Amino acid sequence: SYELTQPPSVSVSPGQTASITCSGDKLGDKYACWYQQKPGQSPVLVIYQDTKRPSGIPERFSGSNSGNTATLTISGTQAMDEADYYCQAWDSSSYVFGTGTKVTVL
Amino acid sequence: QITLKESGPTLVKPTQTLTLTCTFSGFSLTTTAVGVGWIRQPPGKALEWLAVIYWNDDKRYSPSLKSRLTITKDTSKNQVVLTVTNMDPVDTATYYCAHERAARPYDYWGQGTLVTVSS
Repeated sequence: SYELTQPPSVSVSPGQTASITCSGDKLGDKYACWYQQKPGQSPVLVIYQDTKRPSGIPERFSGSNSGNTATLTISGTQAMDEADYYCQAWDSSSYVFGTGTKVTVL
Repeated sequence: QITLKESGPTLVKPTQTLTLTCTFSGFSLTTTAVGVGWIRQPPGKALEWLAVIYWNDDKRYSPSLKSRLTITKDTSKNQVVLTVTNMDPVDTATYYCAHERAARPYDYWGQGTLVTVSS
């Protein structure tokens, strides 16, 4: 079955850039999306179709996808961005979520 | 305004069948390219995708759980039902339903419902 692998954790200082990777076989040939989940809350879609932001998502969130890796970038990271982040892609006939990354803003 | 809400038992015994209902408003499951999916999350663990049903009754399932899952819709009631057979303690999780539209997966989520499997 298809797997998406993320680093367990990423640390970033306020105002700096955080990059979260999501690796999967030929992931660049598929659409990737990203979710933010804060403790006790439902996930929120922050990027879809590799690079698009839903309305209401700040411009500091951006995405890319090429080769075997999709990347979520948070520019000018704020304390409120501290959360778990999950990538997702469609493979064959089912969705797959990534393993998740905890972003800590130090 | 799109909303979704999950409902069902909070406690089931091992080997029992779990039936969860997602009741939604603000959209119709007869609209082209619209779908409703189910996702679960064990306590402290990652999201796991389970199943999705589309406006045209197309149904897709997680390969690892396919034999235990059934997803159906009742468009007149604006509901989607997920059944999971042969429940086990490892199936303890918060179960979410979510809205999908035209390759924009899961832009709206329910609040989730915690299901515990224990004798």
